[in-house]
Amino acid sequence: GAVVSQHPSRVICKSGTSVKIECRSLDFQATTMFWYRQFPKKSLMLMATSNEGSKATYEQGVEKDKFLINHASLTLSTLTVTSAHPEDSSFYICSARGATDYGYTFGSGTRLTVV
Amino acid sequence: AQSVTQLDSQVPVFEEAPVELRCNYSSSVSVYLFWYVQYPNQGLQLLLKYLSGSTLVKGINGFEAEFNKSQTSFHLRKPSVHISDTAEYFCAVDSNDYKLSFGAGTTVTVRA
Repeated sequence: GAVVSQHPSRVICKSGTSVKIECRSLDFQATTMFWYRQFPKKSLMLMATSNEGSKATYEQGVEKDKFLINHASLTLSTLTVTSAHPEDSSFYICSARGATDYGYTFGSGTRLTVV
Repeated sequence: AQSVTQLDSQVPVFEEAPVELRCNYSSSVSVYLFWYVQYPNQGLQLLLKYLSGSTLVKGINGFEAEFNKSQTSFHLRKPSVHISDTAEYFCAVDSNDYKLSFGAGTTVTVRA
């Protein structure tokens, strides 16, 4: 079945630094990838949708200059949290959808802690 | 735009008892429906999905769900739960805009 690898699983960074999270589809080509943020004991909040080779579409209220998304290939999307602050600490999850099988496959998530 | 309502935020259940998690959605168009399970500090795993056809959908780990168009519901059931079913469960809907809307989640706690 479809597999999405997300890396790193856990990262701690200092306030003011930037962190990059990678999301890879391992055995299929992901035409569309999604980035979510999840607060403790809460549901997933869609941050942005990215299509390969084009700019990401951000949801209302999500700062595109703070959360940089790059979808340079059909198997890789990255989320960079720029100038991270403690309030950016959260669980970030990516998801990918292929062109042929209607389904969304999720990565295992990244726990970001900004200190 | 669609919204998804999971009617129970927490469901405690004894081992080997049945469980039902309720999900209702609002959408003016045809939808695709999904149930996902999330274990602590992990991503989401697909339990089952409804795209078309039979309204009774069988998924992994003994779960099944029934799509009811007239009641705009997609309730998840399992006839006998295990301790390992303790997790967070999310109902999600895609109304042909090619992205998922999630419910708030239901925490299932299975006790011996």
